[in-house]
Amino acid sequence: AQSVTQLDSQVPVFEEAPVELRCNYSSSVSVYLFWYVQYPNQGLQLLLKYLSGSTLVKGINGFEAEFNKSQTSFHLRKPSVHISDTAEYFCAVSGSSASKIIFGSGTRLSIRP
Amino acid sequence: GAGVSQSPSNKVTEKGKDVELRCDPISGHTALYWYRQSLGQGLEFLIYFQGNSAPDKSGLPSDRFSAERTGGSVSTLTIQRTQQEDSAVYLCASSFPASGDRELFFGEGSRLTVL
Repeated sequence: AQSVTQLDSQVPVFEEAPVELRCNYSSSVSVYLFWYVQYPNQGLQLLLKYLSGSTLVKGINGFEAEFNKSQTSFHLRKPSVHISDTAEYFCAVSGSSASKIIFGSGTRLSIRP
Repeated sequence: GAGVSQSPSNKVTEKGKDVELRCDPISGHTALYWYRQSLGQGLEFLIYFQGNSAPDKSGLPSDRFSAERTGGSVSTLTIQRTQQEDSAVYLCASSFPASGDRELFFGEGSRLTVL
């Protein structure tokens, strides 16, 4: 069975500081990995995804994530955050092209000026 | 339509009543998912459809919950004899797996409050 663990429920950072949001997964088969973002009072939207190929994936708004198979991780990073990055971030995993997508419990990123 | 549409956007009901939540996916999307979002609980998988069939119903919390999809399009999530713990935002998402792109497109959700 697949599962996703987001180790931090909340991450406060100062504006222009770097940030890393952690995600670990478990799956017995090949995986597809995703990060979704939910801005305040908005619906969820895709930030980036790993399907195959390069393990370093770049997404929207300057975010990137690295797929690490040996550590079963897919951490999200941004070198310099902005106030507008304040949101909840969800990591998700899918085992194959035709299976359910499981989400983590989310990490709330709050940016301090 | 241009996006995933869910109705009602808000529903307040009394404990013990039945409720129906509707999802209209993006035209042509063959996969449809239902999730439940409770405060501090993230997104809880409920069920997903590929076409009209539901290969995985493992996330439905109890037999009070059921879902169907007709015509490979609209889906309805039904909760019978609602309980206060059913209060949450119910999210629907659709995708087109055959394209190779696994992106889920989410609706705005239906907020259910059980008094």
